Amino acid sequence: DTEVTQTPKHLVMGMTNKKSLKCEQHMGHRAMYWYKQKAKKPPELMFVYSYEKLSINESVPSRFSPECPNSSLLNLHLHALQPEDSALYLCASSQGLAGAGKETQYFGPGTRLLVL
Amino acid sequence: GNSVTQMEGPVTLSEEAFLTINCTYTATGYPSLFWYVQYPGEGLQLLLKATKADDKGSNKGFEATYRKETTSFHLEKGSVQVSDSAVYFCAQDQAGTALIFGKGTTLSVSS
Repeated sequence: DTEVTQTPKHLVMGMTNKKSLKCEQHMGHRAMYWYKQKAKKPPELMFVYSYEKLSINESVPSRFSPECPNSSLLNLHLHALQPEDSALYLCASSQGLAGAGKETQYFGPGTRLLVL
Repeated sequence: GNSVTQMEGPVTLSEEAFLTINCTYTATGYPSLFWYVQYPGEGLQLLLKATKADDKGSNKGFEATYRKETTSFHLEKGSVQVSDSAVYFCAQDQAGTALIFGKGTTLSVSS
C-alpha cells in the first residue's frame, strides 16, 4: 500500500480565515513533504520533515505553518493567506530523506485551495 | 546546479500511436530518476523509476532507461490510449533536499 491521504479535497477561504490541511500516511515513512503546485507548473517544495523534525523550509512565508504531530501525520496551518496562494497543495512521503538512499516519494491527491 | 529538462508540450497523438517524451538531466552525482504522471484534477502518481545507470523502469506499458552517457531518461510507450492523457513530469532526486522536477509535458490522446 502506497497511499497518502489528504483532507480536505477542496478548500475556499477568505484572507482573514485560519484553516488547516491534513496529510496522513501509514506506510511507516519517516520523511514527509509539502509542495505547492500552480496550474500548468511542476510542484514546488515548501517544507520537509524528517523523523518528525523540520529539516527544510524553502523560505516559505510565515502565513504557512507546518506541524508534524507524529510520524504518520503532517498538517499545514494557514493564516492570513493572499489570493496568490491559491494552488494545489500536495503532500508526499518517503521511507527516508530524499537523496539519502534513493528514496521514492509517494504523493497524495492534493488539496485544491482557493483564497478569496 | 542540478536540473531536469523535458520537452515542451503539448503532445497530441492518436490512439495506438508511439509516444516519446524526452528528458535530460544535469547532476553532480548519480541521482535516481523518476517519471510521475498527473491526471486531470489529481495528485502525482509515480509511473516508473530507475536508480542507476542502464536501469530500465517500466510500468503500464511505459518504459524509460537511465542513460548516463547521454544524461537522459526518455519516456516511451508503444501504443498510447485515450486514458493516458495527462501531464508527465520527469524528476531527479538530489541529496539533502527533495525532488527536482522538469516543467511537465501535457499529453493529449484522441480516439
